[in-house]
Amino acid sequence: DAGITQSPRHKVTETGTPVTLRCHQTENHRYMYWYRQDPGHGLRLIHYSYGVKDTDKGEVSDGYSVSRSKTEDFLLTLESATSSQTSVYFCAISQRDISYEQYFGPGTRLTVT
Amino acid sequence: QKEVEQDPGPLSVPEGAIVSLNCTYSNSAFQYFMWYRQYSRKGPELLMYTYSSGNKEDGRFTAQVDKSSKYISLFIRDSQPSDSATYLCAMKGGGGATNKLIFGTGTLLAVQP
Repeated sequence: DAGITQSPRHKVTETGTPVTLRCHQTENHRYMYWYRQDPGHGLRLIHYSYGVKDTDKGEVSDGYSVSRSKTEDFLLTLESATSSQTSVYFCAISQRDISYEQYFGPGTRLTVT
Repeated sequence: QKEVEQDPGPLSVPEGAIVSLNCTYSNSAFQYFMWYRQYSRKGPELLMYTYSSGNKEDGRFTAQVDKSSKYISLFIRDSQPSDSATYLCAMKGGGGATNKLIFGTGTLLAVQP
């Protein structure tokens, strides 16, 4: 987890409220990713970024938006949280475009009641 | 059908046993094959990667890829209680950030002392 922090680490929120998760890196890696991890589904890519202000959708992007205004920060926003978004969210970074070597943060455990 | 299939386990073995973890996949375009290890309530960490077919050895760990059968394996020799974790296989196609990692659901391994 060195060089990657996520905040908050735990959050409980109510259905319909907006939520923003933050990923901060000190490695100066170009590529950043947001995943969610759920039992029976493994890790699924939500959004990723290939540079400042450059983002694209992943496999499960509906209901999520992202922003990257600085190299070191990648924000994930749930516009209106739903119970189906209860999950563990991981941020990852990679140095090169051959993104097999990704370094993951410690995760954020989000519960939507 | 999922692109990557992985037996979720749990797999329980005695200390010192040889462990075999496996994944199958359906996309013949995959060229990079990775194994990540995830300790409880932590982010995944890259354990090994292999490009195309063949074997790769790193200490007690050996990764095998059989592209003709679309089957990859991770062998752990002389397993230790510290190897207890969830092991995730992951795969991707050729170069470029748009070829994203596809993860298996993970196999939970418990090595009993």
